[in-house]
Parts: sequence; structure tokens; C-alpha cells
Amino acid sequence: GAVVSQHPSWVICKSGTSVKIECRSLDFQATTMFWYRQFPKQSLMLMATSNEGSKATYEQGVEKDKFLINHASLTLSTLTVTSAHPEDSSFYICSARVDRLYNSPLHFGNGTRLTVT
Amino acid sequence: SQQGEEDPQALSIQEGENATMNCSYKTSINNLQWYRQNSGRGLVHLILIRSNEREKHSGRLRVTLDTSKKSSSLLITASRAADTASYFCATEQGSQGNLIFGKGTKLSVKP
Repeated sequence: GAVVSQHPSWVICKSGTSVKIECRSLDFQATTMFWYRQFPKQSLMLMATSNEGSKATYEQGVEKDKFLINHASLTLSTLTVTSAHPEDSSFYICSARVDRLYNSPLHFGNGTRLTVT
Repeated sequence: SQQGEEDPQALSIQEGENATMNCSYKTSINNLQWYRQNSGRGLVHLILIRSNEREKHSGRLRVTLDTSKKSSSLLITASRAADTASYFCATEQGSQGNLIFGKGTKLSVKP
């Protein structure tokens, strides 16, 4: 089946530093990937839609200059949390759909637990 | 934004019992999907039901969709302790194919 690999699975960083999270589709091409954020005991909130070769589309309220998304190839999207603050601590999950496969499920990475101290 | 609202928020049952979770949504959809999440992990796709379908089965799972009421239900029959997890419904809208998730139901199955 389609596998999405997300790395790292957890990271602790100091306030003011930047953190990069990678999301790879291992055995399929994904022109579009999605980044979600999940706070403890809450649901997933869509942050942005990442499109290969073009700018990401951010959801309302998500700062594009703080959460930089780069989708440089058909199998890799990265999310960089810039100048991280403790309130950015959260669980970040990426997902992707197999290209040209409509009405099909999203495949999720295992998530990245970010803790900003 | 969130689309789906699941109920109950939490459900505790004994092994062997059936578990039913409901989901309501607000706008028109392409399809509705159910996912499972174990604590601190990513999501696993369970079942997808298209907007023109009314019922779908997969193993011990049964999903119904009522587009007139904008609601769906997930039934897990003969539950097992390993079914303990959070279950989310998600609706797909528009051309980008992104999913909007509900708040989830936390299911606890006691052995």
C-alpha cells in the first residue's frame, strides 16, 4: 500500500530556533500534500495544502511566513516552523493522496511531536 | 475550520459489544471517510463512502451515509480491546481533495 514517511517523529527545540519536518511519499507520486496540526485531545486542523512546483495554500489564520512549506518534488514536502515559540508545540501530521486517484483516501505520516522549550 | 461533529465524544464498552459512532457535517461533500488514530500516531484509513452511496461494509465495519440529513455512522461489531483508539470522520470537499475532520470519538474497549 501507499506509504508516507514523516521525519522526525519527535523534536525538542529552543525558543527562537527553526525546525524542519519532512514528508515523503515512498512508493507513489503526490502532487498535492496536506499539513495538519493537532493539539492534545483535539481533532486535526488543516494548516495548508502543499502543491509541487507552486506556492502552498494556507488556511485562514495560519501564518505563511512562520510555517514555510516547500514541495520541491513529487515525493517530498517540507514544513519549516520558523522562530518557534512554546505555543507552536503541537503534533504535526502530513498526508498525501496518490496522484490522479480521485475519491480515494489520504495516506498519513506518523506525525511529528514538536516541543518548544 | 471543522466540518464534522462526532458523537459521542467518548465511548466505553466491553469486548464483544458493538460500538456505534455518529458524524454530522454541514456542506455538500464528494465523499466521507473514517479514520482511526492510536494515541500519538498518524491516522489509518478505515473506509470511504461516496456521496452517492448509502452503506458500505468492510470486515467488522459498517458505514452508513445519509446526505439528506448530512450524517454518517460507523458501526464496529464484536469489538476487541485492540479497537481502542480515536475515530474521526472526515469529509472531502472541492477540487483540491483536502479533508476536513470532525472532533473524533475516543473509543475504549475493555477486555
